[in-house]
Amino acid sequence: DIQMTQSPASLSASLGETVSIECLASEGISNDLAWYQQKSGKSPQLLIYAASRLQDGVPSRFSGSGSGTRYSLKISGMQPEDEADYFCQQSYKYPWTFGGGTKLELK
Amino acid sequence: EVQLQQSGAELVKPGASVKLSCKTSGYTFSNYYMSWLKQMPGQNIEWIGNIYGGNGGTGYNQKFKGKATLTVDKSSSTAYMDLSSLTSEDSAVYFCARVYSSYIYGWYFDFWGPGTMVTVSS
Repeated sequence: DIQMTQSPASLSASLGETVSIECLASEGISNDLAWYQQKSGKSPQLLIYAASRLQDGVPSRFSGSGSGTRYSLKISGMQPEDEADYFCQQSYKYPWTFGGGTKLELK
Repeated sequence: EVQLQQSGAELVKPGASVKLSCKTSGYTFSNYYMSWLKQMPGQNIEWIGNIYGGNGGTGYNQKFKGKATLTVDKSSSTAYMDLSSLTSEDSAVYFCARVYSSYIYGWYFDFWGPGTMVTVSS
């Protein structure tokens, strides 16, 4: 199975701060990577697909980048509603696998 | 509007089975795959498997073969997951999620149900 290693496991950011979350795949995944946001007690919501494409309705402060084995999610200007867990997920090979998650809190 | 409605929370005894449902609306059920996923409290998300709404074709994570069985009822646009021989390790929230597949952009989960909590306890 492809292992997805996310970092950091948790972080806190001030209002307006730019935040980055990294995801490292155990082998190349050819940009078959998505990012999800999960608020407390809710189901995950798709933010980014194909490594860098913004899902409809997602604020433009969210962006994704990367290639090969290294990918990142950036939030340009932390907002209170961005407090959540974030997960990366690869669909390059079965079984599809997720990163361990990053808990983002507002400082 | 795409909607996925999941069945309510379940409290089941060890060794028993349970059947979860995911009723969909707002899109053509037979044109998409549906995935089921598991999330234990405070834990990572695990992909259990896919089922195609058109013909019921399935693909499973090897880890869940023998544990989960996926089926669909096209007439009611509903997906089901049977979980068998339940143990405490099966206590979790189970999500259904529509799979968007694209030759160019890959596969990803674009709509999720609210989840069903399954608690296995005597």
